[in-house]
Amino acid sequence: DVKVTQSSRYLVKRTGEKVFLECVQDMDHENMFWYRQDPGLGLRLIYFSYDVKMKEKGDIPEGYSVSREKKERFSLILESASTNQTSMYLCASSGGRETETQYFGPGTRLLVL
Amino acid sequence: GQNIDQPTEMTATEGAIVQINCTYQTSGFNGLFWYQQHAGEAPTFLSYNVLDGLEEKGRFSSFLSRSKGYSYLLLKELQMKDSASYLCAVLDSNYQLIWGAGTKLIIKP
Repeated sequence: DVKVTQSSRYLVKRTGEKVFLECVQDMDHENMFWYRQDPGLGLRLIYFSYDVKMKEKGDIPEGYSVSREKKERFSLILESASTNQTSMYLCASSGGRETETQYFGPGTRLLVL
Repeated sequence: GQNIDQPTEMTATEGAIVQINCTYQTSGFNGLFWYQQHAGEAPTFLSYNVLDGLEEKGRFSSFLSRSKGYSYLLLKELQMKDSASYLCAVLDSNYQLIWGAGTKLIIKP
């Protein structure tokens, strides 16, 4: 079974803090993704990566950055957290461009005060 | 622009059948996914269709018509545990997943 884990289930941070969300997958997947999910909206892609040290902007990258130093780990960084970044953050991984089924971690519910 | 439409909410009775529709307009098509998401949890994969027709998997079936830009997820013999949101997502020509907002399914006894 594919296992995707995220460092925290719940997180409370203050405006202006730097926030790190970590994601680890154990299936040697090439592709990793960060989404945010808000009520009434579909999943929105923040950043993705098809390989180590590679990153691509998704639909809403502003205010975020990412790091992929190892194949199994993909980190999302909020440089200076703001209240509009309060959301559910979901990490996913998939096996390749032709094997696109994405497997999700349990999510991190972030509250920025 | 790219667009995925699905109903916001549906209600059905335990033991019955329900059909959740999804229509899409995307730049290219490389397959359509259905995911199930229970409240507060991550989405889990249900089905993938890339060719027209019906794919059956136990109580769940998924149908695709590429010419109509249309899919549905059919759930039979509904159980209370099927109460969840069902997400439709299309893989576009760049192999990017475009997500619908999800359909919240409420099962009543």
